[in-house]
Amino acid sequence: KAGVTQTPRYLIKTRGQQVTLSCSPISGHRSVSWYQQTPGQGLQFLFEYFSETQRNKGNFPGRFSGRQFSNSRSEMNVSTLELGDSALYLCASSSQGQNYGYTFGSGTRLTVV
Amino acid sequence: GEDVEQSLFLSVREGDSSVINCTYTDSSSTYLYWYKQEPGAGLQLLTYIFSNMDMKQDQRLTVLLNKKDKHLSLRIADTQTGDSAIYFCAESMGNTGNQFYFGTGTSLTVIP
Repeated sequence: KAGVTQTPRYLIKTRGQQVTLSCSPISGHRSVSWYQQTPGQGLQFLFEYFSETQRNKGNFPGRFSGRQFSNSRSEMNVSTLELGDSALYLCASSSQGQNYGYTFGSGTRLTVV
Repeated sequence: GEDVEQSLFLSVREGDSSVINCTYTDSSSTYLYWYKQEPGAGLQLLTYIFSNMDMKQDQRLTVLLNKKDKHLSLRIADTQTGDSAIYFCAESMGNTGNQFYFGTGTSLTVIP
């Protein structure tokens, strides 16, 4: 079956703009999590959605938001982009929010200039 | 706290065994994982271990967990050049749902 699909793969934005990233989980998976990966901070948890509800949120400013649709697809939005938001954004899905079996997508590489 | 630490680099010769180490601080961890990341790719789950286990073996991979010392290791037997990648350990706690705390990652280089 198809894996976790993230679009776009690469994105270049200007400071102050906003951006929306998309994640399509594996068919049947209802839990979607987002992570930010940077060389300096490593992998940091952004938020997790299950059945359209945000269940958990990491320590990121309110500029970072997300949502999940009824088909389990998820989007994350970053408003008023800063240079420090440049990162690889990874999405992961699992069937019922289990603590094992998370499958990650290849990520969206966001560059803010 | 959720500090998860790993050494940054490891270099081994092809055919030798690799041992990647990880230490964590939160004793309430319920699950511990090893992920592999190749250049330009996402994270691939290699294996996981429940906190009530000491060891898990899966083909060339052996995971050892020392709960007393909060130490996790991943042994790769007969390391191949295709094993060159960054390896992350991660922990999750039952009370935080599916939030993973990742280590800093260990870059494994396999020398032919």
